[in-house]
Amino acid sequence: AQSVTQLDSQVPVFEEAPVELRCNYSSSVSVYLFWYVQYPNQGLQLLLKYLSGSTLVKGINGFEAEFNKSQTSFHLRKPSVHISDTAEYFCAVRISGTYKYIFGTGTRLKVLA
Amino acid sequence: NAGVTQTPKFRVLKTGQSMTLLCAQDMNHEYMYWYRQDPGMGLRLIHYSVGEGTTAKGEVPDGYNVSRLKKQNFLLGLESAAPSQTSVYFCASSPRGSGYTEAFFGQGTRLTVV
Repeated sequence: AQSVTQLDSQVPVFEEAPVELRCNYSSSVSVYLFWYVQYPNQGLQLLLKYLSGSTLVKGINGFEAEFNKSQTSFHLRKPSVHISDTAEYFCAVRISGTYKYIFGTGTRLKVLA
Repeated sequence: NAGVTQTPKFRVLKTGQSMTLLCAQDMNHEYMYWYRQDPGMGLRLIHYSVGEGTTAKGEVPDGYNVSRLKKQNFLLGLESAAPSQTSVYFCASSPRGSGYTEAFFGQGTRLTVV
């Protein structure tokens, strides 16, 4: 069975500091990897996705993620966060060739002034 | 470019009442989904549809029914609402294919059952 683990439920960080949000997945079949962001009282929107090729993926708002196949991880990073980055972030996988998406439980990023 | 539109955005129900949540997408996607979001539990799939006229159960289907009579619409019904169904409901859609495309989400419906 496939699963996605986001170990950190909440991450507080000061403005302009770097941040890393961790995501690990488990799958015996080929998957595609996604990060979504959810701002308060809004739906989920795509931040970035890994399909193939370069393991470093750049997304919107200065975020990037690195795919590590041996560690089955897809951690999200930003070198300098802003107050406006305060949101909940979800890691997800889609099973190749299927309808199925599996979401992690989310990490709430709180950027402090 | 509307994307995925959910109606209504907010609703308060009394225990035992029924209601239908409407999801409409204008991207000609084959797949549509209903999720519920609860604190600390992420997104859990209620029901999904892989095409017009077909629906299937997800991981938490009890107490809900769905219909997809038209490709662009996916309805979620609660026949007899319970307080445990208080949640934020999200509809999503995605194209059929190898899987390299993300799911597109609506803005959510915040439902409170009292």
